[in-house]
Amino acid sequence: GNSVTQMEGPVTLSEEAFLTINCTYTATGYPSLFWYVQYPGEGLQLLLKATKADDKGSNKGFEATYRKETTSFHLEKGSVQVSDSAVYFCALSRYGNKLVFGAGTILRVKS
Amino acid sequence: EAGVAQSPRYKIIEKRQSVAFWCNPISGHATLYWYQQILGQGPKLLIQFQNNGVVDDSQLPKDRFSAERLKGVDSTLKIQPAKLEDSAVYLCASSSLGTGGPIQYFGAGTRLSVL
Repeated sequence: GNSVTQMEGPVTLSEEAFLTINCTYTATGYPSLFWYVQYPGEGLQLLLKATKADDKGSNKGFEATYRKETTSFHLEKGSVQVSDSAVYFCALSRYGNKLVFGAGTILRVKS
Repeated sequence: EAGVAQSPRYKIIEKRQSVAFWCNPISGHATLYWYQQILGQGPKLLIQFQNNGVVDDSQLPKDRFSAERLKGVDSTLKIQPAKLEDSAVYLCASSSLGTGGPIQYFGAGTRLSVL
C-alpha cells in the first residue's frame, strides 16, 4: 500500500541554521506530494506541494523537490527562525483522495 | 473566506460513554474528510464524503464509529461506546479543486480524552 516515512525528531537547530527534513514515499503510480505544518494548538496548514516528478514546491522560504528516481520529497530551508518551530508532516495523495501522512517531525529552533 | 469549523475543541469522557463531533466545511467544498490523529502519529483517514455520499470508510471502526453528512454540508462523527484507545485529535478537512488537484484544508480539531 501507500506509505510515507519521515526522519524522526525532534530536530533542534539554532536560529539561521539550514534545515533538512527527509521524506521518502512508497506508492503505486504518480502521487501528489505535500508538506503540512502544525503549529502548537493549531490545525494542519498546507506548506507546499508538488504534483509531478521534478516539480519544486516552495513557500515561506521552504522548498521541496519531487524526486521520482529516489521516491523522495525532502523539505529544506536555508535559514530557520524561532517562529518555524512546529511539527512538519510529509504526505501523499493519489487522484485527490485521502492524504497518507508520515509520523511527523518536531522542529525546535533556539534563539 | 471562513475556514473549516469544528466543535467542541476539547472533550473528556469516560470509557463506554458516547460522544459526537461536529464539522462545518468551507463553503462550496464538496469533499469532506474525518481523520484521527493519535499522539505522536500522523493523521489517518476515517471517512471521506463526496457531497453526502461516502467515498471511503474502509478504516472506520464501524462497530463503534459512525458519521453522516446531511445535505452535503455539515458533518457529525459519533463514537459509541468510546474506548481508551479512541483518545486522539479528530480532524475535519474539506477540499476544493485547485491547480494540480484538490487541496485539503483542515480545522483546528477536537481533542478527545477517554478516561
